[in-house]
Amino acid sequence: QQQVKQSPQSLIVQKGGISIINCAYENTAFDYFPWYQQFPGKGPALLIAIRPDVSEKKEGRFTISFNKSAKQFSLHIMDSQPGDSATYFCAASNTDKLIFGTGTRLQVFP
Amino acid sequence: EPEVTQTPSHQVTQMGQEVILRCVPISNHLYFYWYRQILGQKVEFLVSFYNNEISEKSEIFDDQFSVERPDGSNFTLKIRSTKLEDSAMYFCASSEDPRGYEQYFGPGTRLTVT
Repeated sequence: QQQVKQSPQSLIVQKGGISIINCAYENTAFDYFPWYQQFPGKGPALLIAIRPDVSEKKEGRFTISFNKSAKQFSLHIMDSQPGDSATYFCAASNTDKLIFGTGTRLQVFP
Repeated sequence: EPEVTQTPSHQVTQMGQEVILRCVPISNHLYFYWYRQILGQKVEFLVSFYNNEISEKSEIFDDQFSVERPDGSNFTLKIRSTKLEDSAMYFCASSEDPRGYEQYFGPGTRLTVT
């Protein structure tokens, strides 16, 4: 019940394309859903987050879509750039501990 | 921009030895966390800490682990008797929100137990 399932495990996108990463959860008590970006050898960096009272949140090229009834949320990266190549983790929480997904390794080729 | 810092960046220790990992959270944050990431795996919650007390801990955080805020700026994770399976990246995070929203992570300490 505390798991967050993330897919795909890896993703290859061409520069300018749209990258889409999906996450699903079971615990309906989760009320906070952040996405983190991690470069090799670095800590996770908070990218964007959403609460379940909205269905979409956009910040620049990054958009979270949230489907409460399906218990799913996704990250869309528009106009993907080589500099976006990193591992992306979704997470969820209803207390102060973050439950992370298994990560998606994104590679954006020029 | 304020950031979480961690020292050392890499710690090598022998099995059975004690290690202390240090973190300096963002200065106006009051809520502190430790997470770990075994190589190639997901980030896992260890413990949350507020007002000099543990708020929540995972089953990973057993009696060999302890946390402390020894002064007004540092936050430490002590592993009393390290095991080979403790080898991982350990991340400190901090937040100004009691619900744990917007947790900012440090760069991590890579712990290698030999």
